[in-house]
Amino acid sequence: GQSLEQPSEVTAVEGAIVQINCTYQTSGFYGLSWYQQHDGGAPTFLSYNALDGLEETGRFSSFLSRSDSYGYLLLQELQMKDSASYFCAVRGKNTDKLIFGTGTRLQVFP
Amino acid sequence: DAGITQSPRHKVTETGTPVTLRCHQTENHRYMYWYRQDPGHGLRLIHYSYGVKDTDKGEVSDGYSVSRSKTEDFLLTLESATSSQTSVYFCAITAGGLSYEQYFGPGTRLTVT
Repeated sequence: GQSLEQPSEVTAVEGAIVQINCTYQTSGFYGLSWYQQHDGGAPTFLSYNALDGLEETGRFSSFLSRSDSYGYLLLQELQMKDSASYFCAVRGKNTDKLIFGTGTRLQVFP
Repeated sequence: DAGITQSPRHKVTETGTPVTLRCHQTENHRYMYWYRQDPGHGLRLIHYSYGVKDTDKGEVSDGYSVSRSKTEDFLLTLESATSSQTSVYFCAITAGGLSYEQYFGPGTRLTVT
């Protein structure tokens, strides 16, 4: 089976850096994805880590450590518009399905 | 914009009535997915399709059925709606056959009274 754990909520101020962690248990593994969802909106794809290490996309970076069954999303230079929920997701081997974590609600304060 | 629409966007129905939600894509993608989203549970897969007439169950499939007679349309049916099926339903498609990168429709908010 597969399960992913994330903190339920994180708060930070504008301009700060925040890290959202995701730990997973899975019987097989192709990689870790991250999605962003604003209130009332649909999830949108942010990033994917197929290999260990850091992937950077502008202000957002995502990290994966397969040996630790752990990943994180790093958001830098926080802006008010970054206030949203963030979900990690894994695709197991031999499956076309994504399993999502329960999500982390990020609140950015001025 | 991934070209995914869902209809209706909002629906209120009574317990015991049948309900069909429609997902339409213009991208000609092979894979389509139905999720439900509830507070504290994130996104949970109901059913998915890997081609016309090819479907499979997700983790919360009980009480739901699906059909895909055309590449562009994926229908989700609640045969007899229950209050526990009050939720926001999202359809998704994969981009380029890589299911780690999914594009979601705008969602349908369903309330069963």
